[in-house]
Amino acid sequence: DTGVSQNPRHKITKRGQNVTFRCDPISEHNRLYWYRQTLGQGPEFLTYFQNEAQLEKSRLLSDRFSAERPKGSFSTLEIQRTEQGDSAMYLCASSPGVAVFNEQFFGPGTRLTVL
Amino acid sequence: AQSVSQHNHHVILSEAASLELGCNYSYGGTVNLFWYVQYPGQHLQLLLKYFSGDPLVKGIKGFEAEFIKSKFSFNLRKPSVQWSDTAEYFCAVSGGSYIPTFGRGTSLIVHP
Repeated sequence: DTGVSQNPRHKITKRGQNVTFRCDPISEHNRLYWYRQTLGQGPEFLTYFQNEAQLEKSRLLSDRFSAERPKGSFSTLEIQRTEQGDSAMYLCASSPGVAVFNEQFFGPGTRLTVL
Repeated sequence: AQSVSQHNHHVILSEAASLELGCNYSYGGTVNLFWYVQYPGQHLQLLLKYFSGDPLVKGIKGFEAEFIKSKFSFNLRKPSVQWSDTAEYFCAVSGGSYIPTFGRGTSLIVHP
């Protein structure tokens, strides 16, 4: 399978713990996005990378959240001092080229539950 | 700022019925519009997109959407739904940036 992969698929943690998620985009896709999705809502943009550069961050991305994309390949999203409100599905998507209308290819998501 | 409104949150149809899901967007400039679908247990995937040209766009599995600029709408249609169309449908708009805004989605259930 050469699609976008995300690990882990599920994560249960206690409030106050740190968690890290990984996303492997489709090879040679230079744009990578992170979204958060809660029940009954569409994906909400968190941040995106053009190659290794993080170009934009949503106001939803508090200082407890950090994302990296070293060498422009895989990406990690870390949440420090998790709160119950962080419980959600975290989606990663990648996109090729530079055209605005290029579609995004989504991964299966990581479901985070904060107890 | 761009925004998307999907009017129907839950739709229930019988097989062979016609489908139209509403999507309105808010953005003053040139837009790129998308419909994504998420089948049960699967990833979000692109159904169709509009970026220029013919406002009637055809996608996979017999779906189509019409961009009506004067109404800021991009409604999704299918003349005859099948049980396998049961899914969550998301409209998204990208107003000249690389960051799309998604609607909250419409859950479609098709009864056999």
